Amino acid sequence: KAGVTQTPRYLIKTRGQQVTLSCSPISGHRSVSWYQQTPGQGLQFLFEYFSETQRNKGNFPGRFSGRQFSNSRSEMNVSTLELGDSALYLCASSVQGLAVNEQFFGPGTRLTVL
Amino acid sequence: TQLLEQSPQFLSIQEGENLTVYCNSSSVFSSLQWYRQEPGEGPVLLVTVVTGGEVKKLKRLTFQFGDARKDSSLHITAAQPGDTGLYLCAGERVGETSGSRLTFGEGTQLTVNP
Repeated sequence: KAGVTQTPRYLIKTRGQQVTLSCSPISGHRSVSWYQQTPGQGLQFLFEYFSETQRNKGNFPGRFSGRQFSNSRSEMNVSTLELGDSALYLCASSVQGLAVNEQFFGPGTRLTVL
Repeated sequence: TQLLEQSPQFLSIQEGENLTVYCNSSSVFSSLQWYRQEPGEGPVLLVTVVTGGEVKKLKRLTFQFGDARKDSSLHITAAQPGDTGLYLCAGERVGETSGSRLTFGEGTQLTVNP
């Protein structure tokens, strides 16, 4: 079974621009979660999508948004980029409906904002 | 304040030594997961513990979930250079909204020197 894939792997943008990151979950997984990882803050939860609906949201500004498509693929968008948005953005998928929801991570997208 | 406190933050040991990493919280978790992450990659799931007092073994790694489901530990016996990486504990808190939302510890950066 193929793992979680994320594209692109690396991105360089400048302040004020916007960016869209893509995530394809493991086949059969219906939940996709997004996390931001920085050296200072560690892994922080952004949001989770299930059946094309945002089900959970972390404490990030409205510049961070996402969506999920009918095939469970997900995208996240960051508008008006700031220097502090430089981070590794990780996507994780899980089956849902089980007693324990184990999450499986993709390799991440490394975003650098100049 | 981190909901999951990991200690130590950094650990540098010689090959063959034993080590223990701790993950503590004042909150109760319905499950706790341990991940290992290598530079530039996403976290890889090592184990999930669910029941208070549960012990799981994965070759030279032993994971324990506290009786009250508020803490966990990871013990590595006879560490090898291949064990080098960032070890992360993460859990789903009891009472959290439905769906997938992991709370992560800050991580323990382990270096095993040959």
